[in-house]
Amino acid sequence: EIVLTQSPTTIAASPGEKVTITCRASSSVSYMYWYQQKPGASPKPWIYDTSKLASGVPNRFSGSGSGTSYSLTINTMETEDAATYYCQQWSSTPPTWTFGGGTKLELK
Amino acid sequence: QVNLLQSGAALVKPGASVKLSCKASGYTFTDYYIHWVKQSHGKSLEWIGYINPNSGYTNYNEKFKSKATLTVDKSTNTAYMELSRLTSEDSATYYCTGETTYFDYWGQGVMVTVSS
Repeated sequence: EIVLTQSPTTIAASPGEKVTITCRASSSVSYMYWYQQKPGASPKPWIYDTSKLASGVPNRFSGSGSGTSYSLTINTMETEDAATYYCQQWSSTPPTWTFGGGTKLELK
Repeated sequence: QVNLLQSGAALVKPGASVKLSCKASGYTFTDYYIHWVKQSHGKSLEWIGYINPNSGYTNYNEKFKSKATLTVDKSTNTAYMELSRLTSEDSATYYCTGETTYFDYWGQGVMVTVSS
């Protein structure tokens, strides 16, 4: 089973700052997916196929990576970006979906 | 628009079972696999399993194989998850989610509390 480890666990950023969240996989994966979750709400798809933005996601967000190392970057932090972000991967044999432990992004 | 409407919060006794529902609308029910995800309070997300609404085929996370049973009722466009032999470890919010190539659509979540 592939394990996803996110870092940092918590990060505080000021508006305008650049933010990078990392997700490391215990084995190589083909793609990474990211979800945003705010308190009391369901997760929302945020980035898919490693670098594609889901519908409605601002283009200050970007995703990159390959193999065992992936990242989500916010070019310039905005107040509405404060949330918890989860990475996720899919393995085909056997079919399983795994989430990272989450990174809580707070406003400084 | 796609909507997944989940049943209301449940308070259940230890050892009992609970059946959660997820009613789909706004799309052809058989187009998307339905997955279920567990989120314990303040914790991360755990994938429980999925069901193909067209065939009824299911696939489970090993951890939940003896805990969860996924079914669908195509006549009402509803997916179900039954959780059995509940313990305090099962207290959590459970989400249903529809998959195209990723988990595109999410229900609002249902909180299950296991307490005597």
